[in-house]
Amino acid sequence: NAGVTQTPKFQVLKTGQSMTLQCAQDMNHNSMYWYRQDPGMGLRLIYYSASEGTTDKGEVPNGYNVSRLNKREFSLRLESAAPSQTSVYFCASRGTGGRGNEQFFGPGTRLTVL
Amino acid sequence: AQRVTQPEKLLSVFKGAPVELKCNYSYSGSPELFWYVQYSRQRLQLLLRHISRESIKGFTADLNKGETSFHLKKPFAQEEDSAMYYCALYNFNKFYFGSGTKLNVKP
Repeated sequence: NAGVTQTPKFQVLKTGQSMTLQCAQDMNHNSMYWYRQDPGMGLRLIYYSASEGTTDKGEVPNGYNVSRLNKREFSLRLESAAPSQTSVYFCASRGTGGRGNEQFFGPGTRLTVL
Repeated sequence: AQRVTQPEKLLSVFKGAPVELKCNYSYSGSPELFWYVQYSRQRLQLLLRHISRESIKGFTADLNKGETSFHLKKPFAQEEDSAMYYCALYNFNKFYFGSGTKLNVKP
C-alpha cells in the first residue's frame, strides 16, 4: 500500500498562475484533508471532505477550491496564486480503525509563488 | 472555539534528560487529543492519542481536564527523539493543530 500520495513534490508559480495539487489514498478512508504548514503557525486546515461527494471549508479556505473526485482522490486548486500562498501543503486521510481517528499524511508539496 | 496552544517553539535538552512538551487546549466538551511527530525528511505521523493511554517510544501524555492540558513527557530523551512535535484536537471531522515544538536532543 502506498498510503497517501501527493503530486507534485515541488512547484514554483508566478503570481496569478493556477495549478492543481493532487492527492490520492488507497486505504479506503472516507475523510480527506488539505492543510498548509507555515513556520510558526503549525498546520492549518484549508478544506476537508468527510465523505465522497462532500467538501467543507476549514480555517483558511480563501484562494483555494477543492474537488473530491471519488473516494480515493481529493484535489486542491489555486485559481490565481499569490505570494501569501507560498507554503508546504499536506494532504491527509483519516482512518477509524484500531487507533481511532488517526490521520495519515502525504509527503507534502512545497509551493513557491513568486 | 477550539484552540490548541504549544507555548514553546524550540526545546533543547541533553541526551538522558527528562523532556516535557507543553500543550494546552480550549474546548467545551470532552476532547479527543493527539500528539503527532515529524522527523527530518519523514511524513507527519501519529505518536499517541489520549484515549489509548499508551506509551510510544517511551513517551506518555496525560489529559488534565482541570488544567486543559495534554503535555507530552519522556523521562530520558534520546537523540533520535529530535523532531517537530504537534499537539492536535479532533472535533466533528476536523483537526486543530498547535503551532508545533521543535525538540532538539543534544549528545
